[in-house]
Amino acid sequence: DAGVIQSPRHEVTEMGQEVTLRCKPISGHNSLFWYRQTMMRGLELLIYFNNNVPIDDSGMPEDRFSAKMPNASFSTLKIQPSEPRDSAVYFCASSLGWIGGGYTGELFFGEGSRLTVL
Amino acid sequence: GQQVMQIPQYQHVQEGEDFTTYCNSSTTLSNIQWYKQRPGGHPVFLIQLVKSGEVKKQKRLTFQFGEAKKNSSLHITATQTTDVGTYFCAGPQGGSEKLVFGKGMKLTVNP
Repeated sequence: DAGVIQSPRHEVTEMGQEVTLRCKPISGHNSLFWYRQTMMRGLELLIYFNNNVPIDDSGMPEDRFSAKMPNASFSTLKIQPSEPRDSAVYFCASSLGWIGGGYTGELFFGEGSRLTVL
Repeated sequence: GQQVMQIPQYQHVQEGEDFTTYCNSSTTLSNIQWYKQRPGGHPVFLIQLVKSGEVKKQKRLTFQFGEAKKNSSLHITATQTTDVGTYFCAGPQGGSEKLVFGKGMKLTVNP
């Protein structure tokens, strides 16, 4: 398996532009997570899906952020309009979800999309 | 909401030294996971602990889950330059699979 695939790896854009980040999870994984990583705030969970359904989006900063998962093999995170404070590395991760016996599936992270908003 | 705190946030050691880093949760955890992120890389799963007091070893790394399931530790023996990176602990929030990560412990090693 190729692992979690994210694109683009790097994106530089100007304030006000729309940004779309893409993610292909590992085949067979039920859960998909979008995290944002910055020096100041660390790894923050933005939203997660289970079986393509958004379960918790309480981490989405504001209405400028939206995420979709139209099918089991694809998800997008959109920022419109983008602002300089959105500059960060955005990680997508997938997992098997709850395994049972108190175990949760480990997260497999993609290589991340480094976003710079000027 | 649930918070996961890691101490220290930074650790600089001489190659060959031992050290321990700690993870504390504001709530009882059903399990705890540890990840390592190399500079410029992405987090990679190391281990998961589920049972109270559980201890697991991976070569020079020893992971422990506290008796109350609210804290965990990672001990590295004879640190090597390959251990450089940021180590994160993470716990599921409430009864969900939503993993909350600590801010990480950044390890640097002086050869």
